[in-house]
Amino acid sequence: DQQVKQNSPSLSVQEGRISILNCDYTNSMFDYFLWYKKYPAEGPTFLISISSIKDKNEDGRFTVFLNKSAKHLSLHIVPSQPGDSAVYFCAAKTQGGSEKLVFGKGTKLTVNP
Amino acid sequence: DTEVTQTPKHLVMGMTNKKSLKCEQHMGHRAMYWYKQKAKKPPELMFVYSYEKLSINESVPSRFSPECPNSSLLNLHLHALQPEDSALYLCAISQGRAGNEQFFGPGTRLTVL
Repeated sequence: DQQVKQNSPSLSVQEGRISILNCDYTNSMFDYFLWYKKYPAEGPTFLISISSIKDKNEDGRFTVFLNKSAKHLSLHIVPSQPGDSAVYFCAAKTQGGSEKLVFGKGTKLTVNP
Repeated sequence: DTEVTQTPKHLVMGMTNKKSLKCEQHMGHRAMYWYKQKAKKPPELMFVYSYEKLSINESVPSRFSPECPNSSLLNLHLHALQPEDSALYLCAISQGRAGNEQFFGPGTRLTVL
């Protein structure tokens, strides 16, 4: 049973435009959500996170939105840059430290110059 | 930046070999993790150490044996692996009880012949 779902395996956008990556979850016990960016043959890089007590968190060009009632979160990248081209993983956990991260399958973002 | 180093970067081993993967951090983070990632898949949790004690074992086969000799080091001992164990092995750290974000190392690319 896939508890974290990223239904779009790929996304292509023009440089300078907005990229929106989506993620859905089914486990209502999850209360902390993270986005990671991954290049091939490298470890995932932490981008941004959000606690379930918030509905928005912003860091530079990256904003994460959380809709708890819909069990949905999204990552917005504005403006998109060619260097943003990578696989983006959504992950979820319960708060409290060394708990398991549950990952989605990832979305491959391509930003075209 | 949160620095997690992993050695070796690449490893090729036969099915009868014994080898070890090493992970090192100097952030003082008290939770350390081993993940396995196959191509085009999300990372899968293998083990979690919290304050140098094994807290989660995701039913990993005994041919993988983790060890946490101190708060800075995490090893993964490998013995009698199968070709299907070929993958990217990732180490991650978090602050333990105080932190939710996990920070990953660059990984070891393992090939089992």
